[in-house]
Amino acid sequence: AQSVSQHNHHVILSEAASLELGCNYSYGGTVNLFWYVQYPGQHLQLLLKYFSGDPLVKGIKGFEAEFIKSKFSFNLRKPSVQWSDTAEYFCAVIPIYNQGGKLIFGQGTELSVKP
Amino acid sequence: EAQVTQNPRYLITVTGKKLTVTCSQNMNHEYMSWYRQDPGLGLRQIYYSMNVEVTDKGDVPEGYKVSRKEKRNFPLILESPSPNQTSLYFCASSLTTSGPYNEQFFGPGTRLTVL
Repeated sequence: AQSVSQHNHHVILSEAASLELGCNYSYGGTVNLFWYVQYPGQHLQLLLKYFSGDPLVKGIKGFEAEFIKSKFSFNLRKPSVQWSDTAEYFCAVIPIYNQGGKLIFGQGTELSVKP
Repeated sequence: EAQVTQNPRYLITVTGKKLTVTCSQNMNHEYMSWYRQDPGLGLRQIYYSMNVEVTDKGDVPEGYKVSRKEKRNFPLILESPSPNQTSLYFCASSLTTSGPYNEQFFGPGTRLTVL
């Protein structure tokens, strides 16, 4: 079955530290890839997405992600985190030929940034 | 403002009492979907709709019904709620399910508690 795996359930960092959140998916075909962020008490917002082209994707708030097809990975990075980045982060995949348009989500990674 | 709205935002009910959670989008999106979010499980798709009068089951459809009589609305119906349906529910919509416009926009969520 298609699945998305996020390596860390909870990450704790100090402000200004660098961030990398791992995401791997299990689907051999073409995919669209997404990272969503959910701030406490809020709905999911799109951080960035990969559709095609340059595998290094830049998103909002200084986030970026790199699609490595050979590793089935789409890791999220930020050079220097801020306290306001405290949130839950979800990696998600849509297999291109998925008839249901279903976003397949990872379990989420909770990021806590200490001021 | 382009958005997905859900009502109610919070609901406490009792086992067996039928309820409806409304979802509406003002972006003329074709695709709409319902997800439930549970701790440690990420988001799982309940039902989706590719267009008016076209709906289909997602991964966890048991105990739920949906309808899509108008393009903008996609209500979620629990005919006889049970405690295992206590969860956080999100409605989402996207312009299409393929191509570069398949990113999904999420509503604010409905926190449902079934006693």
